[in-house]
Amino acid sequence: SYELKQPPSVSVSPGQTARITCSGDALPKKYASWYQQKSGQAPVLVIYEDTKRPSGIPERFSGSSSGTVATLSISGAQLEDEADYYCYSTDSNNKSVFGGGTRLTVL
Amino acid sequence: EVQLLESGGGLVQPGGSLRLSCVASGFTFHNYAMSWVRQAPGKGLEWVSAVSGDSASTYYADSVKGRFTISRDNSKNTLYLQMNSLTAEDTAVYFCTKDAPAPFDYWGQGTLVTVSS
Repeated sequence: SYELKQPPSVSVSPGQTARITCSGDALPKKYASWYQQKSGQAPVLVIYEDTKRPSGIPERFSGSSSGTVATLSISGAQLEDEADYYCYSTDSNNKSVFGGGTRLTVL
Repeated sequence: EVQLLESGGGLVQPGGSLRLSCVASGFTFHNYAMSWVRQAPGKGLEWVSAVSGDSASTYYADSVKGRFTISRDNSKNTLYLQMNSLTAEDTAVYFCTKDAPAPFDYWGQGTLVTVSS
């Protein structure tokens, strides 16, 4: 079955840029979305269609995609950005798949 | 303001059934596809099922196909998930999501389903 692979954890110092990757064979032809989930809360959409940011999401969140890798970048990471981040996409048969998630630590 | 409020979770024995509900408000419900996404304790997100706005199309993850049924009542702005033949692997928080214009652009707070004897 199709998989989206994310690093289990990423650490960044406050004010630095955090980058979280998501790799999948279908990503050259399929959009990726990204979700932030803070402890005990429901996920929140932060990026969709590879690069688009929903209203209300800070500009420091951005997305990109090249080949089989989609990337979520958080420029000037803040303590409040500490959370689990999940990528999402579909396979060649339009079946929905989430990545395994990445825990972002800001310290 | 978009709001999604799930209910119906609880403790159920293996092999049992449960029906989840999600009441939606703040948007024109029948215009949008909706999904259920679940999260087992301490684990990641897993898409479960989706339904089109007019109920014409339904989709299921392989892990629940044949056991779960998604449906909606547009007159009541309500999404449902009928879950049968439950196993311990179905233990999770179940989230209701709105699916357009972006995938899972709004989420409810979730309802916990525990399958245990």
